[in-house]
Amino acid sequence: QKEVEQNSGPLSVPEGAIASLNCTYSDRGSQSFFWYRQYSGKSPELIMSIYSNGDKEDGRFTAQLNKASQYVSLLIRDSQPSDSATYLCAVADQAGTALIFGKGTTLSVSS
Amino acid sequence: DVKVTQSSRYLVKRTGEKVFLECVQDMDHENMFWYRQDPGLGLRLIYFSYDVKMKEKGDIPEGYSVSREKKERFSLILESASTNQTSMYLCASSFIGGTQYFGPGTRLTVL
Repeated sequence: QKEVEQNSGPLSVPEGAIASLNCTYSDRGSQSFFWYRQYSGKSPELIMSIYSNGDKEDGRFTAQLNKASQYVSLLIRDSQPSDSATYLCAVADQAGTALIFGKGTTLSVSS
Repeated sequence: DVKVTQSSRYLVKRTGEKVFLECVQDMDHENMFWYRQDPGLGLRLIYFSYDVKMKEKGDIPEGYSVSREKKERFSLILESASTNQTSMYLCASSFIGGTQYFGPGTRLTVL
C-alpha cells in the first residue's frame, strides 16, 4: 500500500515566524509532488508543485524535495494568520495519474 | 483560470435513495477524479476517469459507480445511499500527469 505520511499537528507558530511542514512517502518511483492548502469547509487549492530534487521558491513558500530520503517539505516564511489552514501533501503515482494524499497538517498562526 | 463546478454544495438524502453528484470542468482536461474526505481519514480516491467512457477504481469504490459520457462531465452515483456515505465529496480534474484542480465540494448527509 503506497503511503504518504504527515504529522497531523496542530503546528502552532507566532505571526512572522517560519512554519515547517514535513511529508514522507513510500513509493520510490514517484516523480511529482504537490502541496495543497485547505481552509475549513473549503476544497484544497494548489500552493506548490515540485518535480526535481532541491528547493523551489514561490513568494513566501519554499518546497524542498529529497527523493533519496523520500521526503518533501514546505516552508512558509513570515507566517500570517491567514496561513492558518490544513496543508495536504500529495504524491503522484508512477503513471502520473492518481494522487495519494497525506492526511494533512493543521497550521495555526497566532497574531 | 481552471474552473471545476459541482452540482450541489449541500445535499440531504434518505437511506436507500439513488444519488447523483455531478462535476463539470471547463479546461478540456483528460482526467477527472472523485474523492471523499472524512475527518481523520483524509482524502480517499473513489474513482477516476482518463477518457470519455473510461473509468478506473480508486481505493474505495464499493457502493459507488461513475459515468463519463462527455469529456467535461463526470458523475458519481450512489446506487442506494447509506448513512456511512455521509461525507464531503470532492471532484478534481487534470491534464495527463498534471496538477489536479478541485471543485468546491458537495457535503452529503444521508439520514
